[in-house]
Amino acid sequence: KAGVTQTPRYLIKTRGQQVTLSCSPISGHRSVSWYQQTPGQGLQFLFEYFSETQRNKGNFPGRFSGRQFSNSRSEMNVSTLELGDSALYLCASSWTTGGTGTEAFFGQGTRLTVV
Amino acid sequence: AQSVTQPDIHITVSEGASLELRCNYSYGATPYLFWYVQSPGQGLQLLLKYFSGDTLVQGIKGFEAEFKRSQSSFNLRKPSVHWSDAAEYFCAVGANTGNQFYFGTGTSLTVIP
Repeated sequence: KAGVTQTPRYLIKTRGQQVTLSCSPISGHRSVSWYQQTPGQGLQFLFEYFSETQRNKGNFPGRFSGRQFSNSRSEMNVSTLELGDSALYLCASSWTTGGTGTEAFFGQGTRLTVV
Repeated sequence: AQSVTQPDIHITVSEGASLELRCNYSYGATPYLFWYVQSPGQGLQLLLKYFSGDTLVQGIKGFEAEFKRSQSSFNLRKPSVHWSDAAEYFCAVGANTGNQFYFGTGTSLTVIP
């Protein structure tokens, strides 16, 4: 069974640009969550999508958005990039949601550098 | 509010020595607890999880963790550390309203020969 796939692995963007990151969950998983990891703030929850609907959202500005497609693949978009958006963005997939304590499987992440 | 505290930022142990990584959580309901490991430049790999039942849980790579409700702790242990265990370790609590995890700040483990 293939794991969680995130593309691209590395990305360099200029301040003010926008970027789209992609995440393909494990086959059969319908929940996709996104996390931002930085040395200063650690791992922070961005949002979760389940069956194409956003279920939860973390404390991030509206420049961060996402969506999920009918095949459960998810994209995350960041507009008007700032230097502080440089981070490792991790995607996690689970087969369900709703507080069941289901474990999440993480992808290898996309390393975004904003210059 | 939910939170996870990992008091040790960095730990150094000798290969073959025992290991204990501390984790304390704050959560209003029954917690779902996890330990993940991250190698440099990689994603997170699940070591073990606690949902309910036996408070001593076994995981992969010889790791175990014990849930102590009275102490709000979920410490990770390994009896004999291998050089390949050097990595960053994260404790997390799972919310009961969806697949949202609250992570600790991590403990970096160095293994010396």
